[in-house]
Amino acid sequence: GQQVMQIPQYQHVQEGEDFTTYCNSSTTLSNIQWYKQRPGGHPVFLIQLVKSGEVKKQKRLTFQFGEAKKNSSLHITATQTTDVGTYFCAGPSIYNQGGKLIFGQGTELSVKP
Amino acid sequence: GAGVSQTPSNKVTEKGKYVELRCDPISGHTALYWYRQSLGQGPEFLIYFQGTGAADDSGLPNDRFFAVRPEGSVSTLKIQRTERGDSAVYLCASSLRRGNTEAFFGQGTRLTVV
Repeated sequence: GQQVMQIPQYQHVQEGEDFTTYCNSSTTLSNIQWYKQRPGGHPVFLIQLVKSGEVKKQKRLTFQFGEAKKNSSLHITATQTTDVGTYFCAGPSIYNQGGKLIFGQGTELSVKP
Repeated sequence: GAGVSQTPSNKVTEKGKYVELRCDPISGHTALYWYRQSLGQGPEFLIYFQGTGAADDSGLPNDRFFAVRPEGSVSTLKIQRTERGDSAVYLCASSLRRGNTEAFFGQGTRLTVV
């Protein structure tokens, strides 16, 4: 079945440093979604990318969708303590009519002030 | 409602007992998902509904797990003969349409089987 992998599993950075997490799917995705989960909270939607090679920015966050629509990345510039949490990518495979959202295992980000 | 509501927020049950977990999605959302999340892991897909029907239940781990959504709104996840390995946070999410729009998650039900 479809698998979504994320690396790294953990990332510890000093405040002000950059951070990147990578997401790879075993199957082609119809879209990729990114979520953030704060400690003790639930996943909260950040963004969706649909087109091959698409790049979107949200302030200090940059999201990319690969040309083959099987990988994606999230880059945070100049991290802040408010960026702490676990970042998940999720996507429906093109082979299941866009229904089932499969999540990666997440990258946990900690930021030292 | 304003968001996805899940009840109860916490449930402690004895091994072998039956439990029901309830999810009240955002009004008008046709797609509803159930996930299970263990500590340090990503949400694990269980089942999703499009309207009243289970469009994909391939993530249900075994026949002790069952979910319904009889009127296309509220959904109930039912677990029979609970086992200690069922302990996890059960998350419900809804979206306007299947798969291609953002999913809104509830706060989850933390199930502990003792």
